[in-house]
Amino acid sequence: DAKTTQPTSMDCAEGRAANLPCNHSTISGNEYVYWYRQIHSQGPQYIIHGLKNNETNEMASLIITEDRKSSTLILPHATLRDTAVYYCIVSNYGGSQGNLIFGKGTKLSVKP
Amino acid sequence: GAVVSQHPSWVICKSGTSVKIECRSLDFQATTMFWYRQFPKQSLMLMATSNEGSKATYEQGVEKDKFLINHASLTLSTLTVTSAHPEDSSFYICSATPTSGSADTQYFGPGTRLTVL
Repeated sequence: DAKTTQPTSMDCAEGRAANLPCNHSTISGNEYVYWYRQIHSQGPQYIIHGLKNNETNEMASLIITEDRKSSTLILPHATLRDTAVYYCIVSNYGGSQGNLIFGKGTKLSVKP
Repeated sequence: GAVVSQHPSWVICKSGTSVKIECRSLDFQATTMFWYRQFPKQSLMLMATSNEGSKATYEQGVEKDKFLINHASLTLSTLTVTSAHPEDSSFYICSATPTSGSADTQYFGPGTRLTVL
């Protein structure tokens, strides 16, 4: 599976959009981009995933560049409860094959 | 939807005893469940893949005789830590993949904090 590179930490003001970048320059054609987050002492929470088109759900938006070498997770109106470690993972069978490789992620701190 | 539960949420045991952790998919069936371990200030590491009705597949370096996995139904997988030692103290997290619908997504349980004295 392709590796990802994320900033170690980011701050965001409450109510503002949080834009979390991820580089995955070695992604292959059949690999999806997954985003999970982990709030302290809890299990990871699925946020969103996509292949090449931009995706949006009730939690966030995922913007994938045309060459698929990078993506951005957007939390449109960050709240204090969004403070967590955010993991960007690329995987070709993220569900059934178990190959979700968690890196160090980005620690997002939402501040009042 | 796609809720995964774990029981217990935390457990403290004496060295040498065995501990069983349950993972349940509450509103979906899961042919495949996974077990991860997370040490303090580290990321999740996959321990094993559990398939209903068959033997689990363990990652390299994970002792199958120490970490017994049983996946007896489409909604339940158990992890038994046998002869636990203090170095087994960790946060154990399971995940499950729906057999239909969002079959390309893993949903995680809340985790079980194991402390071995």
